[in-house]
Amino acid sequence: DTGVSQDPRHKITKRGQNVTFRCDPISEHNRLYWYRQTLGQGPEFLTYFQNEAQLEKSRLLSDRFSAERPKGSFSTLEIQRTEQGDSAMYLCASSSGGGWEQYFGPGTRLTVT
Amino acid sequence: KQEVTQIPAALSVPEGENLVLNCSFTDSAIYNLQWFRQDPGKGLTSLLLIQSSQREQTSGRLNASLDKSSGRSTLYIAASQPGDSATYLCAVRRETSGSRLTFGEGTQLTVNP
Repeated sequence: DTGVSQDPRHKITKRGQNVTFRCDPISEHNRLYWYRQTLGQGPEFLTYFQNEAQLEKSRLLSDRFSAERPKGSFSTLEIQRTEQGDSAMYLCASSSGGGWEQYFGPGTRLTVT
Repeated sequence: KQEVTQIPAALSVPEGENLVLNCSFTDSAIYNLQWFRQDPGKGLTSLLLIQSSQREQTSGRLNASLDKSSGRSTLYIAASQPGDSATYLCAVRRETSGSRLTFGEGTQLTVNP
């Protein structure tokens, strides 16, 4: 079991550029989550997939943000026209089974200059 | 709206001391509660998951308790070690919120040799 992986680990971009992050969940985990964490705060929920269906979206997920999980395996999170306020750690988690225990990846740290 | 509070925000103890971290939540209608550890700049490591029907869970030197009716959980760490230094986060999943976790802001623990 290789755990949840995320790519890239770090991303520096200029304001106004688009960025895309990838998450590979633990194999056979059917649920996948995205969270955002700013310095000194706990993670905040962004969105949730069960298989390929996006079942929940937070109000934090503005129309500049889009997430996909096309084949129910890996997921991508895209941010269009990045703003400095988008600078944060973007965390992905996955789970399966009735316990709903979530396992997190190492995160992608985004810095918008 | 569910709110999660962790006290204290920071804690510094000498090696070998037993310690308690506190977590409180405003809505007692939770499905489960999860404790995580986060090292600086890293993702989250799941420590313990307590289902709403359980009172406590143990893993090694860690013991987590849950009092759902009063909206409280504690994480007890026995015989603390410098390697325990990290930020500890608690998170709750509400019965009616689908799958999202709501996090506290964490307790930053430093164990001094």
